[in-house]
Amino acid sequence: AQSVTQLDSHVSVSEGTPVLLRCNYSSSYSPSLFWYVQHPNKGLQLLLKYTSAATLVKGINGFEAEFKKSETSFHLTKPSAHMSDAAEYFCVVRAAGNKLTFGGGTRVLVKP
Amino acid sequence: NAGVMQNPRHLVRRRGQEARLRCSPMKGHSHVYWYRQLPEEGLKFMVYLQKENIIDESGMPKERFSAEFPKEGPSILRIQQVVRGDSAAYFCASSPTGLQRTGNTIYFGEGSWLTVV
Repeated sequence: AQSVTQLDSHVSVSEGTPVLLRCNYSSSYSPSLFWYVQHPNKGLQLLLKYTSAATLVKGINGFEAEFKKSETSFHLTKPSAHMSDAAEYFCVVRAAGNKLTFGGGTRVLVKP
Repeated sequence: NAGVMQNPRHLVRRRGQEARLRCSPMKGHSHVYWYRQLPEEGLKFMVYLQKENIIDESGMPKERFSAEFPKEGPSILRIQQVVRGDSAAYFCASSPTGLQRTGNTIYFGEGSWLTVV
């Protein structure tokens, strides 16, 4: 069985400050992990993915995430938030088979 | 190369009516997935199909829901006798092969928002 926990349902940051979105997973297998972003009433855009190569993964729009097996974590960071980063972010795990398991989402608010 | 196309983007149905949601995968993709997103929640897996075959429907409600992916044409998610609790966003995704063999990436459409009144 696999599961994903996003530790914060809402995160509020000021423009230009760092963003940290926390994600912990559980999996019986060596997982693949993803972060997706969803803007209001829009579809999902892949930010980055980890598939057992480098543990520090760089994605689009300045985001990156680090896979830490010992902590079963895959936190997403960005050094400097932009207004356009306001959206909902989903941490996703695929352990085996063809099913993706989504976390509950973290809604990011960026204050000017 | 067009992405995953879903239609309609928004659909309103009265209780008891049928809803049909269509999904055209990316060109060259023969694997389709449907996910449902209830308000304020993450996406939940419903069904995985290849052309003319349902591979995994473990996330589909046992009644009123069905999915198909015919040899020709889009994949269809059909909900019969809709109820208010079916109001959600339904996302389709596609991949060229099963996830173990595609670099583990699937591509999502923009979703179909169903409202049951």
